[in-house]
Amino acid sequence: DLQMTQTPSSLSASVGDRVTITCQASQDINKFLSWYQQRPGKPPNLLIYDASILETGVPSRFSGRGSGTYFTLTINSLQPEDFATYYCQQYDDLPITFGQGTRLEIK
Amino acid sequence: EVRLVESGGGVVRPGGSLRLTCLASGFTFDDYGMMWVRQAPGKGLECVSGINWKSAKTGYADSVKGRFTISRDNAKNSLYLEMNSLRAEDTALYYCARGRSTTGTANDAFDIWGQGTWVTVSS
Repeated sequence: DLQMTQTPSSLSASVGDRVTITCQASQDINKFLSWYQQRPGKPPNLLIYDASILETGVPSRFSGRGSGTYFTLTINSLQPEDFATYYCQQYDDLPITFGQGTRLEIK
Repeated sequence: EVRLVESGGGVVRPGGSLRLTCLASGFTFDDYGMMWVRQAPGKGLECVSGINWKSAKTGYADSVKGRFTISRDNAKNSLYLEMNSLRAEDTALYYCARGRSTTGTANDAFDIWGQGTWVTVSS
């Protein structure tokens, strides 16, 4: 299966900070990468698809970049509701695979 | 309202079987690819299996290949996961999720998720 390596596994930041999470694919996945946010006890919520397209309703402080094997998710001006766990997901090849997750905590 | 509701989870002994069902409502089910994703307690997300709109293309994680079977009945707006030879490491919350685009592909981001059904494998 295609492997997705997500870093860091955890991150501490303050409200108002800017943070970046990276995701690296074990082979070229073109632009077929999405990002999800998951809060405790809830299912994942789609933030970004096709590497850089913001899902409807997602705040513009979230942005995604990348293609091929290297991708980033950036959150500008962190808000209290952004402290959650984030996952990348490739859908270039089946089975779909996720990164290990990044837990974003309040400093 | 667009909705996915999973059912069929429970407690089962190692080596046992379960069949999960995901009932879709509020959208044209056969326009979309679907996926089962699981999350073990305190762990990350794992895509167990995906299926395209007409069941012509499926994919399975290596961890479940040969033991789990995904299927769908578009007439009943339902997605299924047949799970056999269950192991302790299959214990997880199982979500179903809908592909984002109306191409019906299983290779997709997933925009609608159910609340999940728990599967516990224990003797």
